[in-house]
Amino acid sequence: GNSVTQMEGPVTLSEEAFLTINCTYTATGYPSLFWYVQYPGEGLQLLLKATKADDKGSNKGFEATYRKETTSFHLEKGSVQVSDSAVYFCALSDQVFYGGSQGNLIFGKGTKLSVKP
Amino acid sequence: NAGVTQTPKFQVLKTGQSMTLQCAQDMNHEYMSWYRQDPGMGLRLIHYSVGAGITDQGEVPNGYNVSRSTTEDFPLRLLSAAPSQTSVYFCASSLSGRADTQYFGPGTRLTVL
Repeated sequence: GNSVTQMEGPVTLSEEAFLTINCTYTATGYPSLFWYVQYPGEGLQLLLKATKADDKGSNKGFEATYRKETTSFHLEKGSVQVSDSAVYFCALSDQVFYGGSQGNLIFGKGTKLSVKP
Repeated sequence: NAGVTQTPKFQVLKTGQSMTLQCAQDMNHEYMSWYRQDPGMGLRLIHYSVGAGITDQGEVPNGYNVSRSTTEDFPLRLLSAAPSQTSVYFCASSLSGRADTQYFGPGTRLTVL
C-alpha cells in the first residue's frame, strides 16, 4: 500500500544552519506531496506542496522538489531561525484520478526540529 | 474568518464517560475529518465527511461516532471513553476532498483516566 517515510528526529540545529528533512514515499497513481508544519500547541498548517513530478514547492524559505525517479520529497531550508522550531510532517495524497480530490491522505510520523540561538 | 475551531481545548474524562468534541468551520468546505495524534504514530484518520448528511469511517473508527447535519459542524462523539483514547484530536476541513489542502483546528487534548 501507499506509505510515507520521513527521517526520525529530533533534529537540533544552530541558528543559520542548513536544514534537510528527508521524506520518501511509495505510491501508485498520481500522488500529490505535502509538507505540513505544527508549531508548539497548534494544529497543523500547510507549508508547501507539489502536485506532479519535478514540481518545486516553496514557502517561507523552505523548498521541496517532487522527485519521481527517487520517490522523494525532501524539505530544505538554507538558513534556519529559532522560529522554525516545530514538528514537520510529510504527507501524500493518492488521488483516484489526476487532478481529483478523493483518495487517501497519508502522513509520515513527523520530525521535530529544534533551533538553538 | 475564524477558520476551523475546536472546543474544548483540554478535557479529562473518567473511563466509561461519554462526551462530544465540537468542530466548526466557516469556509464553506465540503470535506471535514477527524484525526488523532499519538506520539510516534503521526496522524490517524478516525472519521470523515464529504458533505452534509454523508459520513464514513477512517483508519481507527472504533469507539467514536460522527454526524454531519450542517456544512459547518462536524462533532465527534466518544461513546464510552477508554484510556486508549487518550490523545490529541484534530479536526480538519478542505474545499472538496482529502487530496486538497487541509485546514486544521487547534486541537483538543483529551485524557481518559
